[in-house]
Amino acid sequence: DSGVTQTPKHLITATGQRVTLRCSPRSGDLSVYWYQQSLDQGLQFLIHYYNGEERAKGNILERFSAQQFPDLHSELNLSSLELGDSALYFCASSVDRGSYNEQFFGPGTRLTVL
Amino acid sequence: AQSVTQLGSHVSVSEGALVLLRCNYSSSVPPYLFWYVQYPNQGLQLLLKYTSAATLVKGINGFEAEFKKSETSFHLTKPSAHMSDAAEYFCAVSDEGRRALTFGSGTRLQVQP
Repeated sequence: DSGVTQTPKHLITATGQRVTLRCSPRSGDLSVYWYQQSLDQGLQFLIHYYNGEERAKGNILERFSAQQFPDLHSELNLSSLELGDSALYFCASSVDRGSYNEQFFGPGTRLTVL
Repeated sequence: AQSVTQLGSHVSVSEGALVLLRCNYSSSVPPYLFWYVQYPNQGLQLLLKYTSAATLVKGINGFEAEFKKSETSFHLTKPSAHMSDAAEYFCAVSDEGRRALTFGSGTRLQVQP
């Protein structure tokens, strides 16, 4: 158990809909990273938040957005869903102090868009 | 820009044999390098990391990796494979400026009895 929690574990929805994925980082970690894992694209970085502020964006679509709240949990919002958005979405947390970051991954949310 | 290449999407070894999973990276600045393992229907677990200290890094479950700057490689090895090592392995790179991980495409390790 990494100490990172993600809810829900599974999500099945229809095209055009909007969903919210939630992530709670390990106690004491200030950074949350979101990644998408799909058969087509592999593991891709989406977005990074540090202590409530957006720090970096990766291959995140404009239909997707995220935020990190004062209690440091984070939500990833996916809207106008398409079939190709079906994937495993992971969040990872890190202390992000010092010379390196060790990221601890949650169990993921499997999103199926029908 | 950073990138990672993992040679061999599938590797099959016999139980007790040497495991060698290859990773080459590209980075314009000193990299941080990681190996993660993913078991079916689970998240990613960190096996080991290189952060500019010792070039030979030991990780969990008997795995180790050697950072070779001249070859831009960070290959993962284990002297003797166990059935429980069957999983997908990902090499990843980040750096001081870009903390997000850039992953390779993964190598699925199969261990034959």
